[in-house]
Amino acid sequence: DQQVKQNSPSLSVQEGRISILNCDYTNSMFDYFLWYKKYPAEGPTFLISISSIKDKNEDGRFTVFLNKSAKHLSLHIVPSQPGDSAVYFCAASGIRVNAGKSTFGDGTTLTVKP
Amino acid sequence: DTAVSQTPKYLVTQMGNDKSIKCEQNLGHDTMYWYKQDSKKFLKIMFSYNNKELIINETVPNRFSPKSPDKAHLNLHINSLELGDSAVYFCASSQILSGTDLAGYTFGSGTRLTVV
Repeated sequence: DQQVKQNSPSLSVQEGRISILNCDYTNSMFDYFLWYKKYPAEGPTFLISISSIKDKNEDGRFTVFLNKSAKHLSLHIVPSQPGDSAVYFCAASGIRVNAGKSTFGDGTTLTVKP
Repeated sequence: DTAVSQTPKYLVTQMGNDKSIKCEQNLGHDTMYWYKQDSKKFLKIMFSYNNKELIINETVPNRFSPKSPDKAHLNLHINSLELGDSAVYFCASSQILSGTDLAGYTFGSGTRLTVV
């Protein structure tokens, strides 16, 4: 049972436009949600997180939105830049879920075209 | 100065061999993890240690044995390697924070294990 899902394996956007990456989860006990970016041959790098008590968190060009009733979160990147091209993983974590470890989605490959 | 370093970066070995992957973090974090990324790119937790104590042990064959000599190191030893063990193995560390923010994991660059 995959508790965190990213249904779009890939996304292509034009430089300067908005990139929207989506993630759905099934377990309502998750307390935190995180986004990571991964370049080839490197480990994932933490981008931004949001607590389940919030519905929005912003950090520069990156904003994460959380809709708890829909069990859905999204990452918005504005404006998108070619250097944003990478695989993006969402993850969910909770003290009451799996001893607090993060459960990852299977990633969305973002390509930003110049 | 690398925050989470794993060695080796690449490992090619024959079936049946025993091999180890080493991980070290210099961030002062109290929790370390091993994740496996399979051919479908899915990141799956294997083990977690907090201050040298095993706190998560997922359904992993007992051929895989983690060892944490201190809270800055978490090594992974694999006995009797099988073809299905081929994957990228990531070490990560984190500091559990109170409050409403979660800093996320710091990952190493991964070890690509190929069993032939």
